This record gives sequence, C-alpha cells and structure tokens, in this order.
Amino acid sequence: GEDVEQSLFLSVREGDSSVINCTYTDSSSTYLYWYKQEPGAGLQLLTYIFSNMDMKQDQRLTVLLNKKDKHLSLRIADTQTGDSAIYFCAESRGSARQLTFGSGTQLTVLP
Amino acid sequence: DAGVIQSPRHEVTEMGQEVTLRCKPISGHDYLFWYRQTMMRGLELLIYFNNNVPIDDSGMPEDRFSAKMPNASFSTLKIQPSEPRDSAVYFCASSLRKGGNYEQYFGPGTRLTVT
Repeated sequence: GEDVEQSLFLSVREGDSSVINCTYTDSSSTYLYWYKQEPGAGLQLLTYIFSNMDMKQDQRLTVLLNKKDKHLSLRIADTQTGDSAIYFCAESRGSARQLTFGSGTQLTVLP
Repeated sequence: DAGVIQSPRHEVTEMGQEVTLRCKPISGHDYLFWYRQTMMRGLELLIYFNNNVPIDDSGMPEDRFSAKMPNASFSTLKIQPSEPRDSAVYFCASSLRKGGNYEQYFGPGTRLTVT
C-alpha cells in the first residue's frame, strides 16, 4: 500500500462530519474505492468513483476526487458510533483492476 | 447470495505444519483474489485468478505458498511449511466485471497464527 497514502487516525464527535483523505499515485486508475473494515471482519465495499467524475454522493457518503492532485476524500455526514471502523481507499490498476490499498484510517466516533 | 465464504475463520498451527485456507467466491464472479493483511505491511495482493487460471502470482512471498482454483466455486491457499512470520489475516475476494468496473467483494478472512 505504499503508493496510496492515508492518515492513520481520525476522531470526531457523534453528529459531526468526518472527512477521510487519501492520495494516490497512478493517474491511469479508472476507479477508486472506499472500503470499511470493522473489528474482526472483512472489508465492506462502501462506494466508488469513476475517474471522470469530481463528486459522487450516496446517502451520508460523499466522495470527492481531484485528479490533478491525485487526491480522494470520503465525507461521512452525521457520523454515528456505528461508523467507527478502519476506512481504506484503494486504486485500481491492471487488466483485472487489481486493487492497491492505503494503510487505512482508524475512525473513532466519540459520544 | 451468501457472499464470499472462507474457512476456517481461525487457524492456529505449529511452525513447520502445512496450512490450507479455503475460499468459495460469489457465484458467477470470474475473478478471485487472495490478500494478506498484517499490521506491518497492510493489505497485500498475493495472487489472482481469472476463470480459474492464475494470472499474477508476483505477490506470493515465496515458494512455501501455493494457490489453486480447481473450479469456479473453490480455491485454496496452501502454506507448507508454515512459519511464525506467516501469521496474518488472509482474505479472499471475488469480482465480476461491470463495464470497466470490477467491484471486489471480500470474505470475512482467516486469522492464521503460527506458533
């Protein structure tokens, strides 16, 4: 995951918005993904964005993409305690769109 | 659909023993991926298959690791002999191409501990 970078930790208060940032390196990546991992569980696909889009909204989730800066962000509105988890961004490459993951951001939601 | 199924969920074994991890992908998916997750190295792609054929195994750490996919509904990852540094969570994922998008769906993982 060394080519995809994320900050390791983020703490927010319940009800606030969370913004998780990610930078990637491969400008040819066509799709970028956000996954959520809860303790002891596998990775759950949250959302994705196609590289020709700037923004995608899906209920409480908003993904912003800045291709020029290779910067991706995930905003979670009205963050709840159930949102506490590790969030991974991933870029896709290759013929099978193999995923390269960031190190993950541990989101802690405080009451 | 039941999603990607992995077994066992936990495996504890002694150094030198053979370990076999199993995966059943989502029916109809034509790509299968094996990943390893550790604190030090994060998520690493080990190998992937397309239509049961291994395509890229460049992520397999060494010859002690091998993977097979005898049919579209079953894959194994074998470690022989196992070593303590193999301790990790191993994930299987499958995907199906939808246009240019290949959404990968992950299994719950197998937590391997080698003592």
